[in-house]
Amino acid sequence: AQSVTQPDIHITVSEGASLELRCNYSYGATPYLFWYVQSPGQGLQLLLKYFSGDTLVQGIKGFEAEFKRSQSSFNLRKPSVHWSDAAEYFCAVGADSSASKIIFGSGTRLSIRP
Amino acid sequence: DVKVTQSSRYLVKRTGEKVFLECVQDMDHENMFWYRQDPGLGLRLIYFSYDVKMKEKGDIPEGYSVSREKKERFSLILESASTNQTSMYLCASSHQSAGNTGELFFGEGSRLTVL
Repeated sequence: AQSVTQPDIHITVSEGASLELRCNYSYGATPYLFWYVQSPGQGLQLLLKYFSGDTLVQGIKGFEAEFKRSQSSFNLRKPSVHWSDAAEYFCAVGADSSASKIIFGSGTRLSIRP
Repeated sequence: DVKVTQSSRYLVKRTGEKVFLECVQDMDHENMFWYRQDPGLGLRLIYFSYDVKMKEKGDIPEGYSVSREKKERFSLILESASTNQTSMYLCASSHQSAGNTGELFFGEGSRLTVL
């Protein structure tokens, strides 16, 4: 069975600084990997996804993530954060694209320091 | 713009009451899901449905049931609400096809408090 770990519960970064949110997964084969963002009072929105091919994937809002099989990681990055990026971020892993088998991490809350 | 609408953003109910949470999507998606979101636990799947009148249990179905009489509507039912069902409930939908990317479209959530 697959699992996903987000080791950081809460991160604070200064506006304009770079950001990296960590995600580690456990799955025997090549997983389907996702990052979702949840702004306060809102549902979740897909930032980006990886199924196969290029291990560096670009998403919306200037985010990118890199799939590293050797480290079982799929970390989310942004070179310069904006105050509007303050939100909760969820990494998710699936055995396939069927959402019934997608497991979500516990989330990382991002705060932005002015 | 695509939309998943949850009828109630905030509900307060008493222990033992029957609770209905409604979800409607306008994207003609085959798949619909109900998740529960709790701090530190992420999202946990309660039930899902791949078609009208069909349902499948997720990871935490105990104490819940669902109904899908029409393709666009998926209801979550708490037959007898308990305090440990106080939570945020999220509805989602996705397209089922050979080209399905697995992207879930979420509603804004229904925050339920059971007293």
